[in-house]
Amino acid sequence: KNQVEQSPQSLIILEGKNCTLQCNYTVSPFSNLRWYKQDTGRGPVSLTIMTFSENTKSNGRYTATLDADTKQSSLHITASQLSDSASYICVVTDGNQFYFGTGTSLTVIP
Amino acid sequence: DAGITQSPRHKVTETGTPVTLRCHQTENHRYMYWYRQDPGHGLRLIHYSYGVKDTDKGEVSDGYSVSRSKTEDFLLTLESATSSQTSVYFCAISESNRFYGYTFGSGTRLTVV
Repeated sequence: KNQVEQSPQSLIILEGKNCTLQCNYTVSPFSNLRWYKQDTGRGPVSLTIMTFSENTKSNGRYTATLDADTKQSSLHITASQLSDSASYICVVTDGNQFYFGTGTSLTVIP
Repeated sequence: DAGITQSPRHKVTETGTPVTLRCHQTENHRYMYWYRQDPGHGLRLIHYSYGVKDTDKGEVSDGYSVSRSKTEDFLLTLESATSSQTSVYFCAISESNRFYGYTFGSGTRLTVV
């Protein structure tokens, strides 16, 4: 069964600290993997899209990694800011449909 | 949100009443989608459209119908709302391929009492 699992479910960090969010998937065949940021009361916004051949992709302070062999991805946030408080969703597609993770809720505190 | 408007943003309705949610886009994108988001679940696809009057079911389509009479509008109708349909509904659009250029709207929070 195609699934996407994210960990941790929730995370609280101090402003300025780094953090890493995990995404494990069983989706096959693999087409691409995306990370979305969803602010409270808003729709998800794309951070990165990674294809099979890409190991690392950055978008400002966000860096996503992909290990297609182990079917794992991570999202690393550097020097966190209060505005990073949001839910982060991992999405994998097999080219036929999207498979959504349930998200990691990140809270950045001053 | 990049030319997508959902209306209403919030709605409370009674069980058994019909409800229609609207998604309007100004991007002239071909594909439009309706999702629901519930605690403990990832976003789940209800229906999608790949052109005017061309629609197809997603994984949780029971109890929902859709219509697309114009490129810019995609309507989601709950014929007889139930409490299990209390959720946040998101519309999304994509331009030329089902899996690229995805953009979500801001959502409609629907409560069925």
